[in-house]
Amino acid sequence: EPEVTQTPSHQVTQMGQEVILRCVPISNHLYFYWYRQILGQKVEFLVSFYNNEISEKSEIFDDQFSVERPDGSNFTLKIRSTKLEDSAMYFCASVRGPTQEQFFGPGTRLTVL
Amino acid sequence: KQEVTQIPAALSVPEGENLVLNCSFTDSAIYNLQWFRQDPGKGLTSLLLIQSSQREQTSGRLNASLDKSSGRSTLYIAASQPGDSATYLCAVNSGGYQKVTFGTGTKLQVIP
Repeated sequence: EPEVTQTPSHQVTQMGQEVILRCVPISNHLYFYWYRQILGQKVEFLVSFYNNEISEKSEIFDDQFSVERPDGSNFTLKIRSTKLEDSAMYFCASVRGPTQEQFFGPGTRLTVL
Repeated sequence: KQEVTQIPAALSVPEGENLVLNCSFTDSAIYNLQWFRQDPGKGLTSLLLIQSSQREQTSGRLNASLDKSSGRSTLYIAASQPGDSATYLCAVNSGGYQKVTFGTGTKLQVIP
């Protein structure tokens, strides 16, 4: 069964550095989401993406964040200048339309020092 | 603004017991509701998806129900097993590939 993959599994970075988190969605899916989960807290919606455009973004998704689909397979989340509070698990979800069932990747643990 | 609440926050039951997990949401204008399980340090595994027009969905020992008018969904687990120990999350989709709101989860421990 097709799976969503994410790389790296763990990223450690210094405050102020740029990071790019990568996701390979399920091949015939067209809609994608990014979420984050701070340790011990709930999963929070960041952004939804369709047809190379953002569909909706949360108040968390400020100018420091960007998403793109650079090629037919990868889906990336970039944080331009990381802050301590960006430390979290970041999950990518691939969405099967039209049911909109979401399939999650294993996540990337981001640690900002 | 959609708010999703899960009660209880934690639950410990002996193996073999049937149990019910609850999910409440404030805005009944939803597209679907999805139940997930999350093991410690891992991603989310989809368990059941209920569309807004459906009342329930079943998969093996799991049954999820949806009552949109009262803003409630329940996840019923029959004959619980130690392998069911995990955190269970419900996620409410407001539709149109828009924001999805997660509950805080119920941490389940099944004692052998």
